[in-house]
Amino acid sequence: QSVLTQPPSASGTPGQRVTISCSGGRANIGSNFVYWYQKFPGTAPKLLIYRRNQRPSGVPDRFSGSKSGTSASLAISGLRSEDEADYYCATWDDSLSVWLFGGGTKLTVL
Amino acid sequence: VRLLESGGGLAQPGESLRLSCAASGFSFSAYAKSWVRQAPGKGLEWVATISGRGGSVYYAESVKGRFSISGDRNTVYLQTGSLKTDDTAVYFCAKGNSWEPFDAFDVWGQGTVVTVSS
Repeated sequence: QSVLTQPPSASGTPGQRVTISCSGGRANIGSNFVYWYQKFPGTAPKLLIYRRNQRPSGVPDRFSGSKSGTSASLAISGLRSEDEADYYCATWDDSLSVWLFGGGTKLTVL
Repeated sequence: VRLLESGGGLAQPGESLRLSCAASGFSFSAYAKSWVRQAPGKGLEWVATISGRGGSVYYAESVKGRFSISGDRNTVYLQTGSLKTDDTAVYFCAKGNSWEPFDAFDVWGQGTVVTVSS
């Protein structure tokens, strides 16, 4: 069981806005940036969101991140079929000096 | 900017494997370097990180004392030891966005498969 808690699944129809939550604690989400990764089966993870809601070059602005206290969220607007993937949150834990990943959320585009 | 892993394969429980990850298109030495794995049907699990300055190292509890991360100018290594069947996974190397160990993993390799089985 992961220290960072994500819902195992999420779904939406094309064009909809969906959010994926990530819940942690004061030493991790509460103290550090939360990063979001997209992963398709058989491929490497891809960084979607880093630092304060920044997107690497090539990541559409349909993807956005936010944080409040010890929880964070990834929002995907204008949902597209190619967004169907697994999404992971990750952050550093100051008290343990380790990286933490959420358990992952499988997004289905209906 | 690319990372290419090698060294995976089949090992018996208790054996060792040395994974390598070579960088091309940039100098790896200035950045933190990490290994992340994904067991079959499971999520991503962080394994180890080495910082880009001073070489401070950090390990997941599940591998501490068995795995060792190191790096040189353009390569990061993961020496695995006392392998267990639970270590079976695809192992990805990743480049940190800066030298700091807690910055985002912004470039990933394609992964190398480690299978531990008798």
